[in-house]
Amino acid sequence: RKEVEQDPGPFNVPEGATVAFNCTYSNSASQSFFWYRQDCRKEPKLLMSVYSSGNEDGRFTAQLNRASQYISLLIRDSKLSDSATYLCVVNRGGGANNLFFGTGTRLTVIP
Amino acid sequence: NAGVTQTPKFQVLKTGQSMTLQCAQDMNHNSMYWYRQDPGMGLRLIYYSASEGTTDKGEVPNGYNVSRLNKREFSLRLESAAPSQTSVYFCASRTGVVEQYFGPGTRLTVT
Repeated sequence: RKEVEQDPGPFNVPEGATVAFNCTYSNSASQSFFWYRQDCRKEPKLLMSVYSSGNEDGRFTAQLNRASQYISLLIRDSKLSDSATYLCVVNRGGGANNLFFGTGTRLTVIP
Repeated sequence: NAGVTQTPKFQVLKTGQSMTLQCAQDMNHNSMYWYRQDPGMGLRLIYYSASEGTTDKGEVPNGYNVSRLNKREFSLRLESAAPSQTSVYFCASRTGVVEQYFGPGTRLTVT
């Protein structure tokens, strides 16, 4: 079983829509969680960290469910500029080789 | 503050040729990483260096070697390139459990 699994999509949504991505992780001892954004032909960049209580950054809301071992990202009022691939990332703890990346979910926002 | 830089940005090699991908970071990070990214496979760790003077294999190390030249620089060498090594290569760095920073990537084609 993969450490981190994501629905690859693609998700094609109209501007203004709300879209949600889920990600599951296999190791219950995982310690911290992140969403990264990767634009086409660019490097991944941190979008937001995910905290146990859930956290919001503008139109973006991230939530963590430790009992079910999944992380979600909700994007409200989608913009064309949100079109990108969103990577779920899990820190398993215990050394430098402890970050595990999902394969990413591709989002296209349509005018 | 340039972050993580990589050279070259693009490279075409013939099967059997060798080359070195260079990476440098100016954020005083302890750990550095080399990943490859292929369609549908996500980011796969090739090698990493937890700190200056140490290197370790990741998920897909075969066909590659690395050198942590100093705290700033971490190079990846392909001794005898194969078509299966056609990919996008990303270098990354971080300290602790905080954000991992990626370089802009090297697009390598092996013919």
